[in-house]
Amino acid sequence: EADIYQTPRYLVIGTGKKITLECSQTMGHDKMYWYQQDPGMELHLIHYSYGVNSTEKGDLSSESTVSRIRTEHFPLTLESARPSHTSQYLCASSALGGAYEQYFGPGTRLTVT
Amino acid sequence: GENVEQHPSTLSVQEGDSAVIKCTYSDSASNYFPWYKQELGKRPQLIIDIRSNVGEKKDQRIAVTLNKTAKHFSLHITETQPEDSAVYFCAEMTTDSWGKLQFGAGTQVVVTP
Repeated sequence: EADIYQTPRYLVIGTGKKITLECSQTMGHDKMYWYQQDPGMELHLIHYSYGVNSTEKGDLSSESTVSRIRTEHFPLTLESARPSHTSQYLCASSALGGAYEQYFGPGTRLTVT
Repeated sequence: GENVEQHPSTLSVQEGDSAVIKCTYSDSASNYFPWYKQELGKRPQLIIDIRSNVGEKKDQRIAVTLNKTAKHFSLHITETQPEDSAVYFCAEMTTDSWGKLQFGAGTQVVVTP
């Protein structure tokens, strides 16, 4: 079944550690996005990509980086985690052209101690 | 798209009553307006959307209206049921912005039996 997958679903990690949040989709979509969301609160776009080798920063400044080497894979990396990075991270994807619906993954709940 | 203001931030309704959430936007070039529903602990999901060439769209108990002159759009839920309890997000996009959605801050809807 076509879907968006995120791993891990929950992560508790100490300050200063490097982490990578994984996102993959089997939707066949070209566009992918990363949002940061405190539970039930506003969604903030932190990174997006239109396709392979295309990445852009979003509206919310973030210390994370992303890569897009394969169409279906869009990992997010934090080089040195801090308590201020504690949040939920949602990955999403959408098709090119006139279909604008974004499909979201289940999210990764990150806690930095 | 630019800022999207969403009101109210919380809404409590009796089962069977109607709920209305309103969003205003500032960019006159915005031409796509989706609504997402996020249940507790779940991912956001599109429930209805409207494009700028249409004033109203309905899908069973939910409807969206758009007033381009006043730059606002609203979500209407009729005959509310407990399963309508969730956070609802409006969003807007200018379709030449390559699929970047600008989300509102969200409305927590609680339907009491």
